[in-house]
Amino acid sequence: AQRVTQPEKLLSVFKGAPVELKCNYSYSGSPELFWYVQYSRQRLQLLLRHISRESIKGFTADLNKGETSFHLKKPFAQEEDSAMYYCALSGQGAQKLVFGQGTRLTINP
Amino acid sequence: GAVVSQHPSWVICKSGTSVKIECRSLDFQATTMFWYRQFPKQSLMLMATSNEGSKATYEQGVEKDKFLINHASLTLSTLTVTSAHPEDSSFYICSARRAVNTEAFFGQGTRLTVV
Repeated sequence: AQRVTQPEKLLSVFKGAPVELKCNYSYSGSPELFWYVQYSRQRLQLLLRHISRESIKGFTADLNKGETSFHLKKPFAQEEDSAMYYCALSGQGAQKLVFGQGTRLTINP
Repeated sequence: GAVVSQHPSWVICKSGTSVKIECRSLDFQATTMFWYRQFPKQSLMLMATSNEGSKATYEQGVEKDKFLINHASLTLSTLTVTSAHPEDSSFYICSARRAVNTEAFFGQGTRLTVV
């Protein structure tokens, strides 16, 4: 079974501080992992995926298979980063995309 | 990026009636579409995965006869909530992707209220 856990429902940091949103997964095979973001009054959109290994809007995420984690990080938070963040998993070759519970990130000025 | 459009954006229906929600990929062909349900302040719960031309795969606990999904073409999937009841009131979101493990694009969601 595919399962994604985001332990923090809410996370609040000050502008300029580092941010880390935690994501742990459970999957027996090789997972494809994604971070999606939902800004206020907008639809969900892809932020980044682990296979691309790129940095988007200053965010990075590294897949750690030993710890079954895919934490999202940014060294210096900006106010426009305030949003709802969802970690998602798709099993290799599998069809479905399963989401974690989401973390609401608030950046305080 | 690719665009996925849902229609309607919101709908109010009477208890016992059926309501259909459409999900269209406007500028790409979607081999797979997903239907999610989102309760207030909660995450997206996957209801079913739909492939063009074949029966949808429903998640455990989702009633197939209650939530009818049709994926008749590579650009259109529909979700019909049959004999709706107030507990079916929710935010329904669809997403679509071109191929397995590619980016999924999301619709804007449909707010269903059953009175």
